[in-house]
Amino acid sequence: TQLLEQSPQFLSIQEGENLTVYCNSSSVFSSLQWYRQEPGEGPVLLVTVVTGGEVKKLKRLTFQFGDARKDSSLHITAAQPGDTGLYLCGSQIQGAQKLVFGQGTRLTINP
Amino acid sequence: DSGVTQTPKHLITATGQRVTLRCSPRSGDLSVYWYQQSLDQGLQFLIQYYNGEERAKGNILERFSAQQFPDLHSELNLSSLELGDSALYFCASSVVGYTDTQYFGPGTRLTVL
Repeated sequence: TQLLEQSPQFLSIQEGENLTVYCNSSSVFSSLQWYRQEPGEGPVLLVTVVTGGEVKKLKRLTFQFGDARKDSSLHITAAQPGDTGLYLCGSQIQGAQKLVFGQGTRLTINP
Repeated sequence: DSGVTQTPKHLITATGQRVTLRCSPRSGDLSVYWYQQSLDQGLQFLIQYYNGEERAKGNILERFSAQQFPDLHSELNLSSLELGDSALYFCASSVVGYTDTQYFGPGTRLTVL
């Protein structure tokens, strides 16, 4: 059983469209991290959210942390082919002494 | 470039064999983490070492072991390999503990034939 559920698992859209991917858990997050992983490389940290209700922006990417700290979303505006990759959410679940990751959303942006 | 290096990049071996994967953390980082990534299981935490001592264990099989040396590099040993061990193995490092930002290496792709 995955502690973190990401949806959708796969998403393929055209350049210029907007999209949102989700990360959910039945447990409360101490904090939540979003990573992007490109083929042949390790995950790269995009952002960490800590406070319930927090919103962080990174250029065209907007990250939101749910008020109850059990869910998070990543919204991409005007997607570009360079946004293609595997997006992973990871968290230190309260009480666990490790990072756990969701299965990821594999995003493809078509030119 | 995260500053974490892993060797080798690719490894092809046969069932029953033993392999060693190597990781050098970022300069100044004391913690090293090993992860396994497969298509069906996603990114799974295996084990963490902090300054030479085992700190936390995840879903690591008994056939697998790791160590961290005085110079802080780490090795992951995989023995009695099975087809299902084929995966990407990542090393990450952080300054101290799991609450710090982890920086991932480029990974070793292990193929067991």
